[in-house]
Formats: sequence, C-alpha cells, structure tokens
Amino acid sequence: NAGVTQTPKFRVLKTGQSMTLLCAQDMNHEYMYWYRQDPGMGLRLIHYSVGEGTTAKGEVPDGYNVSRLKKQNFLLGLESAAPSQTSVYFCASAQGTEAFFGQGTRLTVV
Amino acid sequence: GQQVMQIPQYQHVQEGEDFTTYCNSSTTLSNIQWYKQRPGGHPVFLIQLVKSGEVKKQKRLTFQFGEAKKNSSLHITATQTTDVGTYFCAGSFSGGYNKLIFGAGTRLAVHP
Repeated sequence: NAGVTQTPKFRVLKTGQSMTLLCAQDMNHEYMYWYRQDPGMGLRLIHYSVGEGTTAKGEVPDGYNVSRLKKQNFLLGLESAAPSQTSVYFCASAQGTEAFFGQGTRLTVV
Repeated sequence: GQQVMQIPQYQHVQEGEDFTTYCNSSTTLSNIQWYKQRPGGHPVFLIQLVKSGEVKKQKRLTFQFGEAKKNSSLHITATQTTDVGTYFCAGSFSGGYNKLIFGAGTRLAVHP
C-alpha cells in the first residue's frame, strides 16, 4: 500500500543547477498534480496531468517542466534552479474525487 | 482567473470553542473538497461537496456548499486539541478537467 511516493524527500541545490523530482503512484489514477507549498500561500498548482502522455499548466508553471510518459509516474523538472523555487513540493494523484498526496519534497536552493 | 479565496488565515481558539473557515470563488465551482494538513504532514482528504446547497457532517465537522456553488464553509463544534492543523478547501471548475485549485488554508491552533 505505497500510495503516492515522492523521491527525494530532501534536496539542496545551488542556483543554476537542475534536478528532477519523481512522483510514483500505484493506484492506477488518471489525474496527477504537482503543487508547491510556501508559508501563508497554501498549495499552488504548478502542472497537472489528466492522463498518460498529457500535461497542462497550473497556476505557477514558470521555471518548471513535467512529463507523464507512464501512467504511474509524473516527473517535475527544474532546468535552472533559483532561490525563489525553495519550497516544499507535493505530488498528488486522483481518480475523480479524493486526491492522495505524497509525503512531500523539501527543496532548498542556495 | 480561477482562484479560491479562504479566510481567516489563522484562528486561535480555546478548547471547546467553535471554529469556522470560509472559502469563496468568483466563478462557479463544479465541486469543492476539504483537506486537513497536520504540522509537518501532507494534506489528507476530508470530504467532497458537489450539489448546490449541500450540507454534510462528519462527527463534529459540518461542511456546506453554497446555493450558487461559489462558496463553502467548514465548521467545527467544540474544538479539541486533535483538531490542530491547517484546513484547506480545494475547488474544481467547470471544464477544468479536474484541475484542483487550493485556497491558502486556515491554520487552527487550539489551546487547552
């Protein structure tokens, strides 16, 4: 019963470095989401996907790219990290109703 | 744009007092969901409201969806220390392909 698994849990990047966050779900859900959470700003939608091979922009997509090559995986990429991208990143999956969240990735960009 | 506004940002109550958080959208929602996030944790689904004017209860928690499907509220009766956390509403918009937009959340502190 893994549910939604995010990798890694913590990461420190230097400005300009790139990295990929991996989200994997084992519930065969169609919908997957990437959010960032900053103090006082709730959860802001970065990108989302309504099915394998599809992606769409959310509220704050700039500086991020995503891919959904396999139904169970949703990757979030930062091509050139900036200090403004320091945040906690949450992945979620859903099948019409309840969204299930991963444990989060705490990313610090220095 | 599609936004969900939530107030208040913080609420401090004495144990046993009631608590309410409100969500509002400028456009009609197809449904609204509520989540709870404990400190250091991840959001956990509480409930979904779909119908205009819908009211649902879970023990001490009462959820309402407005008649115009533009606002919602969560009311907790007689708060307990276990209610501590941040409560989020999340709205889906018509034609939004299940795009789930969260409010900023209300952080609840309960003093014993």
